[in-house]
Amino acid sequence: DAGVIQSPRHEVTEMGQEVTLRCKPISGHNSLFWYRQTMMRGLELLIYFNNNVPIDDSGMPEDRFSAKMPNASFSTLKIQPSEPRDSAVYFCASGDNLNQPQHFGDGTRLSIL
Amino acid sequence: AQSVTQLGSHVSVSEGALVLLRCNYSSSVPPYLFWYVQYPNQGLQLLLKYTSAATLVKGINGFEAEFKKSETSFHLTKPSAHMSDAAEYFCAVKHGGSQGNLIFGKGTKLSVKP
Repeated sequence: DAGVIQSPRHEVTEMGQEVTLRCKPISGHNSLFWYRQTMMRGLELLIYFNNNVPIDDSGMPEDRFSAKMPNASFSTLKIQPSEPRDSAVYFCASGDNLNQPQHFGDGTRLSIL
Repeated sequence: AQSVTQLGSHVSVSEGALVLLRCNYSSSVPPYLFWYVQYPNQGLQLLLKYTSAATLVKGINGFEAEFKKSETSFHLTKPSAHMSDAAEYFCAVKHGGSQGNLIFGKGTKLSVKP
């Protein structure tokens, strides 16, 4: 079975540029989560969706960050404009019901120069 | 509110020795608890989960964890460490009965010496 698929795996761009991260959850999963991982702050939840609807976006750091889930098989996390402090590994995860574990993608390693 | 504390950001053991990674949780309701492992440059993989059934939970790769309500703990153990166990381990708690997210601990990096 295909797991959670994230693209790109690596992204290097200059500050001020728009960055779009993509995620395809596991088919049939109805929850999708975006996390950010850094050495300083560890794993942080940014936002999560249930049935394509954003449930909690309190972890989104600033208005420069936005996330969408137009359908059950695709989500994007966008940063505009990007800043060097946004450099991190961004993970997408999906889950299929209330108390089952989340399944993680391999992450996107983002470097903002 | 739920929270997780992992004691020790770095644990080092010799190959063949016991692995013990500590996790304490805080939850006002029966928790759902998880251990994940992260190998370098990879995402998190589920090791095991506790969802109010048996208190001793067996996971993949020979790991197990015991839920102790009286101690609010969910420590991860493995009788004999293998070099391939070197990774970062995360404990997480989820509010039972909700679609809520996982609350992760800071992680414990396990090193295995030959």
